[in-house]
Amino acid sequence: GESVGLHLPTLSVQEGDNSIINCAYSNSASDYFIWYKQESGKGPQFIIDIRSNMDKRQGQRVTVLLNKTVKHLSLQIAATQPGDSAVYFCAENLHNQGGKLIFGQGTELSVKP
Amino acid sequence: EAGVVQSPRYKIIEKKQPVAFWCNPISGHNTLYWYLQNLGQGPELLIRYENEEAVDDSQLPKDRFSAERLKGVDSTLKIQPAELGDSAVYLCASSLDMNTEAFFGQGTRLTVV
Repeated sequence: GESVGLHLPTLSVQEGDNSIINCAYSNSASDYFIWYKQESGKGPQFIIDIRSNMDKRQGQRVTVLLNKTVKHLSLQIAATQPGDSAVYFCAENLHNQGGKLIFGQGTELSVKP
Repeated sequence: EAGVVQSPRYKIIEKKQPVAFWCNPISGHNTLYWYLQNLGQGPELLIRYENEEAVDDSQLPKDRFSAERLKGVDSTLKIQPAELGDSAVYLCASSLDMNTEAFFGQGTRLTVV
């Protein structure tokens, strides 16, 4: 959904555990979704994407799940490492608005060694 | 291959002064975005270009903000005059087209005093 509020949701996990970051999107016409990782002082970095004709896509240590029925997206990170600590954003591509890319609020992931 | 390059990285100006940001997208990328990111929030779209044409500038405060993308490559974003509330990180991103992942630059952190 749209970015709102000043306080990021936070997720704290132990190193080696799996992490699941959730995102609710707003527009049922969105057909393309992207997860970004943003470290302090840097721009968002592309992690993985998924199109609406899929419900799951896997990358290296990451999996994205898409549930169009409830407009929900999740990012799963396997064997979370300290280097995974960052803010994670989901973004939806509004195809019915000419491909406008809208970001969600973001979740801050903290990995404890 | 170089990623999206932005300059300057940091800028401090007094209110009512003008400021300009520059972006060099990834070679061959037709779509260019300018986003604004406030602390603790996701990026918010200001303007999107397809080649040299601004196809979505609905979120750009046109009374003080302007942008251009001459020849469909580099882009500049200008604020004149700057206000205290303009303090934020200004991100530039590019993608092959509007249906593929966008890659971000490091951003320009603007502080208006």
